[in-house]
Amino acid sequence: KAGVTQTPRYLIKTRGQQVTLSCSPISGHRSVSWYQQTPGQGLQFLFEYFSETQRNKGNFPGRFSGRQFSNSRSEMNVSTLELGDSALYLCASSYVPGQPYEQYFGPGTRLTVT
Amino acid sequence: AQKITQTQPGMFVQEKEAVTLDCTYDTSDQSYGLFWYKQPSSGEMIFLIYQGSYDEQNATEGRYSLNFQKARKSANLVISASQLGDSAMYFCAMRGSNYKLTFGKGTLLTVNP
Repeated sequence: KAGVTQTPRYLIKTRGQQVTLSCSPISGHRSVSWYQQTPGQGLQFLFEYFSETQRNKGNFPGRFSGRQFSNSRSEMNVSTLELGDSALYLCASSYVPGQPYEQYFGPGTRLTVT
Repeated sequence: AQKITQTQPGMFVQEKEAVTLDCTYDTSDQSYGLFWYKQPSSGEMIFLIYQGSYDEQNATEGRYSLNFQKARKSANLVISASQLGDSAMYFCAMRGSNYKLTFGKGTLLTVNP
């Protein structure tokens, strides 16, 4: 069974631009969560999607948004990029929300904002 | 609000020895789950072990065991017979009633040959 895939793996953008990151969950998994990891703030929850609906949202500004498609693939968008948005963005999938031991992470997208 | 505290920024252990990574948590939820993840330098988070708040037995998965002390609100990870490949960042995390995973700051484990 293929794992969680994230594209692209690396990205360099300039301030003010926008970016879209993609996450394909494990086959059969319908819940996708996104996390931001930075050296200063550590791992922080962004949002969770299930059945194309956002179920949960972390404390991030409205510049961070996401969506989920009918095939459970998810995209995350960051508009008007700031230097502080440079981070590793991790996506995790699980069969359904709340299943504790079935959340599997992808390799991440490393975003650098210059 | 949930909080995870990992007080050891870095730990060193000799190959084949056991090591304990500390984790304490704070939550007002009655039902919650505790997790440990391993993050190698490649960046991917690898699930290691899970403990539910109502589980009476400490969780074990191969060389990993979770020392769960509910009254102390601690969930320490014990790695037995350390291997060079165990060198990585280790994160303790909790999921409560809001289903969000809250992570600690992590512990960087280095296994020496």
